[in-house]
This record gives sequence, C-alpha cells and structure tokens, in this order.
Amino acid sequence: GQQVMQIPQYQHVQEGEDFTTYCNSSTTLSNIQWYKQRPGGHPVFLIQLVKSGEVKKQKRLTFQFGEAKKNSSLHITATQTTDVGTYFCAGPTSGTYKYIFGTGTRLKVLA
Amino acid sequence: NAGVTQTPKFQVLKTGQSMTLQCAQDMNHEYMSWYRQDPGMGLRLIHYSVGAGITDQGEVPNGYNVSRSTTEDFPLRLLSAAPSQTSVYFCASSRLAGGRTYEQYFGPGTRLTVT
Repeated sequence: GQQVMQIPQYQHVQEGEDFTTYCNSSTTLSNIQWYKQRPGGHPVFLIQLVKSGEVKKQKRLTFQFGEAKKNSSLHITATQTTDVGTYFCAGPTSGTYKYIFGTGTRLKVLA
Repeated sequence: NAGVTQTPKFQVLKTGQSMTLQCAQDMNHEYMSWYRQDPGMGLRLIHYSVGAGITDQGEVPNGYNVSRSTTEDFPLRLLSAAPSQTSVYFCASSRLAGGRTYEQYFGPGTRLTVT
C-alpha cells in the first residue's frame, strides 16, 4: 500500500539553528499538506502545495513540492522555542480523497 | 463558529462493548474524515465522506462503521471494542471544490482506552 515516510524521526536543535524535514511518498500525490501538532494537541494546518515544483514561504518556513509530486520538504530558518512540535506531511494519492499522513518529525528546540 | 467538535473527550470501554464517537462541524464542509493516532505515530485514515450519504473506507476501516446523514455530522461507531482500538481519534473536515480538498480542520480528539 501507499506509504509516506518522513526523515528525520526526531531532531533536536539549538534555538536559532535551521531545521529541515523531508517527506517521501511511494506514490504520486495530488497535493501535499503540512501540519504541526503540539504535544497533547490536534494537528493544525500550515500549508497546501498543489503544483509540481511549487515553493511557498510563510515567514521563517519554506515549503517545497517535488517535481514528480512524490516528495516534499519543510525548512525552518532560525528556529524558536515556539516551533516545538511534530510536523506531519499528508496527501492523497492522485485521483482519490484518501489522505495518507507521513510518519512525522518531532522537533525539540533547546533555548 | 465552533469549528469541529468531538464528544466525548475521554472514554474507557471494556472489550466487546460498542459505542459511537460524535463529530460535528458548522462550516458547511463537504469532506469529513476520521483518523486514529497511536502513541508516537502518525495519523491513519479510518473512513471518509465527500458529502451526505456518501462514505468510503480509508487505510484502517476494520471494526468501525460510519454514516453521513447530514452535512454537519459524521459519527464513528465501534462495533465490538478491542484493546487494539485504544487510540486517540480525530475527526476532520474540509471544503471540497474543483475535485480536491483544502485545509483540513481537526477536532480536539477523543482519547479512547479499551480494557
């Protein structure tokens, strides 16, 4: 079946360092969404990318969708303690509404 | 505008019991879905719906039933609870347009323990 893997599984960074998480799907995705989940909370939407090769920025966050629409990345510049949480990518296989979530990357930021 | 609401917040069941997890949204979203999240894991899609009267299976549908009689409500029924169904359950909704979904809004979750 379809799998969406994220690396790394965990990342500890010093405040001010950059952070990147990578998302790789075994099948082509219609679009990719990114979510952030704080401990004990629910996933909160960050962004959606639809086009092949698309790049979007939100302040310190940069999101990319691969040319083949099978991979994506999230880069955070100069992390802050408020960035702590688990970041998930998610997307539906082309032609379906069945969302598959990635395995997640848990980010800890040390002050 | 309450967004997506889920009840109950917590539930303990004995093996073999049945129950219904409630989910409601007030954003007139066509797409609704149920996920389960096991400790330290990602979310797995159980069932989803693209409109009233239309439901389909996700990645892990066994042991669960859903129905969608109105746009607002999407209850999840556990037929005969098993310890393997101990998890946190999230309901989500999204608008549907041009053949695709958009931002998914998640409810606060129901933490279910089956003993």
